[in-house]
Amino acid sequence: DAGVIQSPRHEVTEMGQEVTLRCKPISGHDYLFWYRQTMMRGLELLIYFNNNVPIDDSGMPEDRFSAKMPNASFSTLKIQPSEPRDSAVYFCASTLGGPRYGYTFGSGTRLTVV
Amino acid sequence: QQQVKQSPQSLIVQKGGISIINCAYENTAFDYFPWYQQFPGKGPALLIAIRPDVSEKKEGRFTISFNKSAKQFSLHIMDSQPGDSATYFCAANGNQFYFGTGTSLTVIP
Repeated sequence: DAGVIQSPRHEVTEMGQEVTLRCKPISGHDYLFWYRQTMMRGLELLIYFNNNVPIDDSGMPEDRFSAKMPNASFSTLKIQPSEPRDSAVYFCASTLGGPRYGYTFGSGTRLTVV
Repeated sequence: QQQVKQSPQSLIVQKGGISIINCAYENTAFDYFPWYQQFPGKGPALLIAIRPDVSEKKEGRFTISFNKSAKQFSLHIMDSQPGDSATYFCAANGNQFYFGTGTSLTVIP
């Protein structure tokens, strides 16, 4: 299995632009999580899905952030408009059966907003 | 509110020494306690995990010690190697994982 695949690996964008991050979970996994990692705040859960349905989006910082999971093999995290404080590494993770069984993380997308 | 508290923030150990990282939690409903290892530029990877029905789990040089009454668990890395230099995160599950703030481990040759 190729693991959790995220794209792009790096994204540099100007403030105010729309940014879309992509994630392909491991085939068969029914949970998908989006995390943001910064030095100041560590790993923060933004949103998670179960069977493509958003379950908890309380970690989404603002209305500028949105996430979708149109099918079991694809999810997007969109930031519109982007701001410099959104600069971080964004991770996608997936698991089968829920958090009790461990996550597999992707390699992340390093976002820089200038 | 930090659900999982991790210490120390950074740790420097000589090659061959023992590295110890500690975590504490509050919610007694947590029932799965993993440790993740993260190398620069990579995502966290599951290293070892324990459930509260046992007090210790060992996998190679890595051991989790779990104290249910104290609501604490720790990671011990025996015979630490330079290749172990990474950031380590503890976590505990509720309906999601709550991660500690991470420990940056440096093993000096």
